[in-house]
Amino acid sequence: QVQLQESGPGLVKPSETLSLTCTVSAGSISSYYWSWIRQPPGKGLEWIGYIYYSGSTNYNPSLKSRVTISVDTSKNQFSLKLNSVTAADTAVYYCASRRVGSYYFDYWGRGTLVTVSS
Amino acid sequence: QSALTQPASVSGSPGQSITISCTGTSSDVGGYNYVSWYQQHPGKAPKLMIYEVSNRPSGVSHRFSASKSGNTASLTISGLQAEDEADYYCSSYTSSSTPFVFGTGTKVTVL
Repeated sequence: QVQLQESGPGLVKPSETLSLTCTVSAGSISSYYWSWIRQPPGKGLEWIGYIYYSGSTNYNPSLKSRVTISVDTSKNQFSLKLNSVTAADTAVYYCASRRVGSYYFDYWGRGTLVTVSS
Repeated sequence: QSALTQPASVSGSPGQSITISCTGTSSDVGGYNYVSWYQQHPGKAPKLMIYEVSNRPSGVSHRFSASKSGNTASLTISGLQAEDEADYYCSSYTSSSTPFVFGTGTKVTVL
């Protein structure tokens, strides 16, 4: 069973870059697409983007100009960078897996709250 | 891409059945059999409950069932239990600019 764990700073200043890493265990990184999904406090879920182990990516157009997702297969990790953040980017950020050939998110990390504030 | 539409809240007494709707368009819910449902307890990560319209992952109670008709998908919880009190989100693959869209979320309350 795939296990995912997010890590990174819980506080980011406005206009700076949010950086998070998701560590994958007990799963083959080449068998899944790896996604980032976020949830502002009290609100719904928003898909940010995904990466495949080959490095191919797909981003939500609403965030595409500010998002970069990368993968490090040697460490079984993938990462999220979101630049020029504002208070609107304050959210719980989840990493999640989607098996190749499927269109649902089967495993999720516990999530990490990132607050954008000076 | 707009979020799929769900009722904000649904409630029921223990033992009853409730149904949550998820309305989209022919570009998402109506166009593909790729609707999934997630349960989220407060402070926890979403948990996959249904995939590909009506399939339950291993370990999910048979009290959870789902279906789709046209542009609307539905999740039914039978024999409602206190532990079912949570937020529920639908999701669908979409042919629009973003491949995945989530629903607005429904808070289920067990009376």
